[in-house]
Order: sequence, then structure tokens, then C-alpha cells
Amino acid sequence: SQELEQSPQSLIVQEGKNLTINCTSSKTLYGLYWYKQKYGEGLIFLMMLQKGGEEKSHEKITAKLDEKKQQSSLHITASQPSHAGIYLCGADLPDSNYQLIWGAGTKLIIKP
Amino acid sequence: DAGVIQSPRHEVTEMGQEVTLRCKPISGHDYLFWYRQTMMRGLELLIYFNNNVPIDDSGMPEDRFSAKMPNASFSTLKIQPSEPRDSAVYFCASSLADRSMEQFFGPGTRLTVL
Repeated sequence: SQELEQSPQSLIVQEGKNLTINCTSSKTLYGLYWYKQKYGEGLIFLMMLQKGGEEKSHEKITAKLDEKKQQSSLHITASQPSHAGIYLCGADLPDSNYQLIWGAGTKLIIKP
Repeated sequence: DAGVIQSPRHEVTEMGQEVTLRCKPISGHDYLFWYRQTMMRGLELLIYFNNNVPIDDSGMPEDRFSAKMPNASFSTLKIQPSEPRDSAVYFCASSLADRSMEQFFGPGTRLTVL
């Protein structure tokens, strides 16, 4: 979706290294949702951010929403093979009529 | 709750055949979404329902696609006739009518049209 840009498209990271995935909206976000998908499986909810400046963490994954509520970043510290998969951001935008607008996804590969 | 249930998990069919995908949402959820995922186009919303009523079907590719939700616990997505370009993974998701908007996804149906 042009309303939601996700970058990078793919990422290869050495195990143990940190990484960041970004999700940028052309409009102010009502909410931003991060999901993870493993190959052949459905999407698993990670975190939801709604307030400007909000930050949430789950194990070694931290997600932030900027003050203007137009950009979110997902940061993984000391990456592990279990972090490999596709990460997608979904946005609750004005006039989205109760549906989420999805980013194109970031394919993360962890090299041992 | 078992989560969102989809069947079949895999479907291989020949061009021209009718395909029916099934979804059982989480009990009590008010919204049901049908998505299609491909490498080229990513995750695309096809249609979604609120309390069994279709709200937005603008993502349905063409008249060959149809979706129904006869009751709160069951929905189908039908493709008739199927074409090779319909090959994709089809996901069903459900959510509550609260402000969290968290969607719970099924495992998907991998459709291959030969």
C-alpha cells in the first residue's frame, strides 16, 4: 500500500546482531500493529502501539511509535534463528473503516 | 478457544474448477476478514464482514470470487472458475468490535491452480 511504506524489503543479519525494521505512514496513525509470519503459517500478533512516543517490548523485540504517530520501528536485539520470518506492519488509519492497511512486509533471514 | 480455523490447508485444483475455502472465526468475534497473500502483491484484503454482513468487498478481484457468511461461526470464499493466477495463500482473520482492532489469523489455505 502506498499509504504505508515498510523497509527494508528483506534483511540478512548475522546471528547475535541487532536490526531495525521501519514502517512509515503518509497519514497520522490511530494505531500501528506489528505481526510476524513464519513460512507456511498465519500471522502472529506481536505488539500494538497507539500513543505518540509509545514503546513496547516483548523479549528481545522492541517497537516504538514516534511522537507524530506517522512512523514506527521494530528493533530486535541480539537476533536469534527463531527471529527469522516475515514481519508485517498494519495501520489503523483515518477513514480506514475498521480495516488495517498493511505494509509489504520485511523478510528477515538470520545467518548462523 | 482453538483460534481461527481454516480448511482445507492445501488445495490443488485444475483451471476452471470451483474452489471453496472455509473459515471458522473465534467465537464472539464480530469481524471476519478474507486476505490473499502472494509474493508479488503481499497481503491483500479481499472482503470483510461485520456481524455476518459484508462491509467492503472492493478488494475482491472479479466476479469469479464470492464470499458468504451465513452465520457468526462460518464463512466461505468461493472461486468459480479458478485460474492459475488465483494461486496464493488465502487467510481468514477475525477480531472483536473493540478499539484494539487486533486481528487473529488462521493458518491459511495454500491454493494452487494448475
